[in-house]
Amino acid sequence: EVQLVESGGGLVQPGGSLRLSCAASGFTFSSYWMSWVRQAPGKGLEWVAHMKQDGSEKYYVDSVKGRFTISRDNAKNSLYLQMVSLRAEDTAVYYCARGGTRRSSPIDYWGQGALVTVSS
Amino acid sequence: EVVLTQSPATLSVSPGERATLSCRASQSISSNLAWYQQKPGQAPRLLIYGASTRATGIPARFSGSGSGTEFTLTISSLQSEDFAVYYCHQCDNWPCTFGPGTKVDIK
Repeated sequence: EVQLVESGGGLVQPGGSLRLSCAASGFTFSSYWMSWVRQAPGKGLEWVAHMKQDGSEKYYVDSVKGRFTISRDNAKNSLYLQMVSLRAEDTAVYYCARGGTRRSSPIDYWGQGALVTVSS
Repeated sequence: EVVLTQSPATLSVSPGERATLSCRASQSISSNLAWYQQKPGQAPRLLIYGASTRATGIPARFSGSGSGTEFTLTISSLQSEDFAVYYCHQCDNWPCTFGPGTKVDIK
């Protein structure tokens, strides 16, 4: 059974930093593109970052470029999102998500999400 | 960026009735469109990928169609568990984008 479990969410002040982690199990982690998708309270879904199997390609939505860094450790079956210079508008549930074997493959599995609240 | 527009924003349907949801892309995305269902407090669930292929375990009452810029999700006979928000999604062009969602509620 595919499982994605996020951790590391919480309350942080504007300008602060946070690192999200995602522990993957039930599939060959190193074979899949992985992503972070967020959802602000009461709003829709927004793709945040996307990473190739071997880490050689990374993509970010414009609003987080230069502030967020996606990374992975295939030996630990783990995905990460380092977030710095956080803003109130970054407040959201952040989902770890599995893509496919191609960049254009849709997400097929989602974690339950980690809530990040940016507030003073 | 490919902008996805969904209509209607809200669809009120009685149980057992048919629901038709639309998604329009601002440029052609071939058949690279997926549909997700999301219930309150839950993560989205993949329903359809490749515009028309049902994901594993998805009931046959869900069907998808379309290509290019016009896509449709049809729920043939709504069950109580189908009342939710539905999102379309493309990753044919970066950045990957989602539509704003269609809420299907009980009439």
